[in-house]
Amino acid sequence: SDLTQDPAVSVALGQTVTITCQGDRLRNFYASWYQQKPGQAPVLVMFGKNNRPSGIPDRFSGSNSGNTASLTISGAQAEDEGDYYCNCRDNSGYFRLFGGGTRLTV
Amino acid sequence: EVQLLESGGGLVQPGGSLRLSCVASGSTFANYVLSWVRQPPGKGLEWISVIYGGGGGTYYADSVKGRFSVSRDNSRNTLYLQMNSLRAEDTALYYCAKDGWIQEAGRWGNWFAPWGQGTLVSVSS
Repeated sequence: SDLTQDPAVSVALGQTVTITCQGDRLRNFYASWYQQKPGQAPVLVMFGKNNRPSGIPDRFSGSNSGNTASLTISGAQAEDEGDYYCNCRDNSGYFRLFGGGTRLTV
Repeated sequence: EVQLLESGGGLVQPGGSLRLSCVASGSTFANYVLSWVRQPPGKGLEWISVIYGGGGGTYYADSVKGRFSVSRDNSRNTLYLQMNSLRAEDTALYYCAKDGWIQEAGRWGNWFAPWGQGTLVSVSS
């Protein structure tokens, strides 16, 4: 099954934006979220129910409802611009799948 | 802190082979679960393979199954990706990443962190 993301989202500086990821597997498993800036490797920004890795600002938060996982940035900053990808495992636990990515413009 | 460094990318003709390496720092490499993720130029991320610690069970995305093989040498802290029968659509930046997972409120979630910087594979005649 696929993970569906909006191709592009924009937000005004300092405002709040939510990036979503939809897919049947999200009813049973948490997504993880990755930020990628041009020319750089992806960076984990959210995992599990609502967990931020060390060094990720607290303006990033995660939530889940039904078949949708969401990444919210409260008070978006210019440095938050980039591509955001969700990822989730399948029922076997062995296979992972990425969403198509969302380009965030601030 | 674990660090990953890929190498081995390059230009190869269609039908050819290439082996990528990913060297990891850290004293518990044998226990790491490690994945390969690729990104074609200008496109999104695609998970392609995982290898587990211990017995080293391996799993592949359909797009590479039967052509790619993942392995590890725990004595060298190194992960490998042997790529055979390469096609133009395999052209991508290849990343290795360490897997992690968590169980909360009865649900599992996995993640990838850290990632290497990537190594570029170009398949062209």
